[in-house]
Amino acid sequence: GQNIDQPTEMTATEGAIVQINCTYQTSGFNGLFWYQQHAGEAPTFLSYNVLDGLEEKGRFSSFLSRSKGYSYLLLKELQMKDSASYLCAVRPYDSSNTGKLIFGQGTTLQVKP
Amino acid sequence: GAVVSQHPSRVICKSGTSVKIECRSLDFQATTMFWYRQFPKQSLMLMATSNEGSKATYEQGVEKDKFLINHASLTLSTLTVTSAHPEDSSFYICSARPGWQRIYGYTFGSGTRLTVV
Repeated sequence: GQNIDQPTEMTATEGAIVQINCTYQTSGFNGLFWYQQHAGEAPTFLSYNVLDGLEEKGRFSSFLSRSKGYSYLLLKELQMKDSASYLCAVRPYDSSNTGKLIFGQGTTLQVKP
Repeated sequence: GAVVSQHPSRVICKSGTSVKIECRSLDFQATTMFWYRQFPKQSLMLMATSNEGSKATYEQGVEKDKFLINHASLTLSTLTVTSAHPEDSSFYICSARPGWQRIYGYTFGSGTRLTVV
């Protein structure tokens, strides 16, 4: 089966750094995605990792360890607008090569002044 | 580029009726589209993979006769919720992946909030 775990909720202070963890157990691995989703809106793409290591993109960074089945999303210099849900999604091995994604339950981040 | 349009954004229907949701790729061709549903404060649950010109592939536990998917062209997939019941009330989102954006191409529609009364 497919299993992706994230913390349900996190709280952080404006200007601080927060790390959101994601662990996964899937049938094969073809990449891991992080998405941001504000309430009632569609998810928007943040990052993609397929090789081990850190990918940096402005205030956002994402790390992957395939051997550990582990990823994290790092948000620096937090802003109030970063309050949202953060979704970890894995593309498992897919014999039909459709590219489907399996999502974790999402982490709701609340940024406080 | 890579815009996915989803309509309607909100729909309220009576129990027992059917509702059709459209998902269009506006500036690219999508041989594959994905349909998700999302309950409040939960994540996206993949319902089915929609394949242009062939039958959709449904995830385990999703009733294919209740959630009819048609992908008749390279830019349009539709999801029809048949004989809707209040428990079908949810947020439905489609996504598509342009062939020329192999990594970043999972673009999502804006979602449809379905309320069955």
